[in-house]
Amino acid sequence: EDQVTQSPEALRLQEGESSSLNCSYTVSGLRGLFWYRQDPGKGPEFLFTLYSAGEEKEKERLKATLTKKESFLHITAPKPEDSATYLCAVQGSNDYKLSFGAGTTVTVRA
Amino acid sequence: SQTIHQWPATLVQPVGSPLSLECTVEGTSNPNLYWYRQAAGRGLQLLFYSVGIGQISSEVPQNLSASRPQDRQFILSSKKLLLSDSGFYLCAWSVRWDTGDGYTFGSGTRLTVV
Repeated sequence: EDQVTQSPEALRLQEGESSSLNCSYTVSGLRGLFWYRQDPGKGPEFLFTLYSAGEEKEKERLKATLTKKESFLHITAPKPEDSATYLCAVQGSNDYKLSFGAGTTVTVRA
Repeated sequence: SQTIHQWPATLVQPVGSPLSLECTVEGTSNPNLYWYRQAAGRGLQLLFYSVGIGQISSEVPQNLSASRPQDRQFILSSKKLLLSDSGFYLCAWSVRWDTGDGYTFGSGTRLTVV
């Protein structure tokens, strides 16, 4: 069964203080690894899909990278509006579903 | 463009009462549809998925059921709610499950069973 572990559970940053979130996974053949952002009381919002080791994607202050065992979400010079819970999910090559981690809650203080 | 609607946003129901949550998708045909539940501090748990009208697969044995009476409508139901049914329920859709495109989620329903 696919497993996804995210760390840390919570991250408190000062505005401008760059950091990284980790997503470790085990899956039988990776179809895709997904990052979502979730604001309190809202549904997850899609950020990135990574398909193979070595792939990187960027969006504003966020950059996602992928290896064979883990993915990192780098937040560069964060702003308070980057505060949210970031969810990682994987889909195996023979799976119909996405398996999610518990998320990392990021709080950025001005 | 495609949009997904989910309602109600919040719901407080007594134990033993029935439940009906509705989800509709616009702007696409024959979507794959999913119901997830999110508990505090835990990952999203897949409850049901559907690849077509009347086709429902259950992931977890529980007090809930799902139906898909129309192509773009997905309903989550219960005949008698339990306290343990409280949580944040999310509907999602995808074009197909095997393209690696991920899901698009609705805005969620916060269910509190009292």
